[in-house]
Amino acid sequence: GENVEQHPSTLSVQEGDSAVIKCTYSDSASNYFPWYKQELGKRPQLIIDIRSNVGEKKDQRIAVTLNKTAKHFSLHITETQPEDSAVYFCAAPPWGGAGNMLTFGGGTRLMVKP
Amino acid sequence: EAGVTQSPTHLIKTRGQQVTLRCSPISGHTSVYWYQQALGLGLQFLLWYDEGEERNRGNFPPRFSGRQFPNYSSELNVNALELEDSALYLCASLGLNQPQHFGDGTRLSIL
Repeated sequence: GENVEQHPSTLSVQEGDSAVIKCTYSDSASNYFPWYKQELGKRPQLIIDIRSNVGEKKDQRIAVTLNKTAKHFSLHITETQPEDSAVYFCAAPPWGGAGNMLTFGGGTRLMVKP
Repeated sequence: EAGVTQSPTHLIKTRGQQVTLRCSPISGHTSVYWYQQALGLGLQFLLWYDEGEERNRGNFPPRFSGRQFPNYSSELNVNALELEDSALYLCASLGLNQPQHFGDGTRLSIL
C-alpha cells in the first residue's frame, strides 16, 4: 500500500517568512496530491491539490510543487501570517487520482510567530 | 451545497458502553471514509464504504464496525468502549474524480 512521509513534524516561523513542508510517497501510480489544513478544534480543509500532469500550482500565497520522478511534493506558504498557524496534512491515493481513498502524512504543526 | 454532516458533535461515554456515530455525505458522493484522530495526532484510517459495501478497513479491532445505507449515509459503531477510544472521529465523503471533504467530526470522550 501507499506510504506517505511528511517532514517536519513541527515548524516555527516568524510572521512574513516562508514555510515549506515536504512529503514523499511510495506508489508510483499515485497521480493526485492534496493538502489539508486543520485549525485547532476544526475539521481538515482542502487548501490546494495538484495532479501529476503539472509540476507546480499556485493559489495566492500557497503553492504546491511535485516531482514525480523523485516521488515527492511540497507545500510552500509565502508571507506567512498568524492565521496560517495550524496542522497541515499531505496525502496521496494508493492508486490513481482524485476520487480514491487517501493515505495521509503524519502532519506538520506550523506556528507563525507575530 | 451542503457539506458533510456528522452527529452528534460531542459524546461522553464510560468504559464498556457502545456508541453509534452518524455521517451524511455531500449530495452525489457515494463513498464515505471514517478516520480516528486522537488528540494532537494524525488521521488514522478506520473504514471505507462505497455503494453500500465495506471496501477497506484500517488496523482497528473488530469492535469498530459500520455500515452504509442506500442513501449513502453511514454509521460507525464502536462496542466495548475503552479509554483509548477517546478521539475526534471524522467522516469524509468522496465523489467520482472529486476531492475528499471532511465533516466537523464527533468528539468522543470515554470516562
